Amino acid sequence: DVVMTQSPDSLAVSLGERATINCKSSQSLLYTSNNKNYLAWYQQKPGQPPKVLTYWASTRESGVPDRFSGSGSGTDFTLTISSLQAEDVAVYYCQQYYFTPYTFGQGTKLEIK
Amino acid sequence: EVQLVQSGAEVKKPGESLKISCQGSGYRFSTYWIAWVRQMPGKGLEWMGIIYPADSDTRYSPSFEGQVTISADKSTSTAYLQWRSLKASDTGMYYCARGVLSCSGNECYSYNWFDPWGQGTLVTVSS
Repeated sequence: DVVMTQSPDSLAVSLGERATINCKSSQSLLYTSNNKNYLAWYQQKPGQPPKVLTYWASTRESGVPDRFSGSGSGTDFTLTISSLQAEDVAVYYCQQYYFTPYTFGQGTKLEIK
Repeated sequence: EVQLVQSGAEVKKPGESLKISCQGSGYRFSTYWIAWVRQMPGKGLEWMGIIYPADSDTRYSPSFEGQVTISADKSTSTAYLQWRSLKASDTGMYYCARGVLSCSGNECYSYNWFDPWGQGTLVTVSS
């Protein structure tokens, strides 16, 4: 299985400051035929199902605020929240959809400092 | 509106069987992959398996193969997750989620990031 490792496990950031979450895969998620990275980011708030934020590593889902951005390629990826808002408190997961089983990272809990 | 609606919470005893459901609406059910994802209490997301309702092509995570059965009925736009003999360790929230279909001209490709998700079904197994 492809192992997805997120860092840190938890993060406390002040309102208005930048939050950065990392995700590392044990195999490259870049498909050279289409030059796309098969990596998605999700946000899960308490009591709710996950919601997709970005796919293809950096394509923002429709309706997602532009303070959320994804980057990276190959095995190293980052989710950045440029200016943290109170409603961004959640657990964030990366997921690879290149190889079955389609594995998730262990999650990063984001809180307000 | 595209949505997945899951069956209600279940409380079962160890050794009992269970089948939970996920009904899709607002889209052509048979042509999108449906995945099942487990979330144990206070833990992260675990991908269990996936089914393509048009032909019931099913893939399982090795961690769940032989432990559960995934099926689908395209006539009712419903996917299922089934256990023959529950264990206490099966306690958790189970989500269904739909893969994505990307079309360009006459060519369409399935990709398995997941949107939308069902609301979740809480399964509690306790003696």
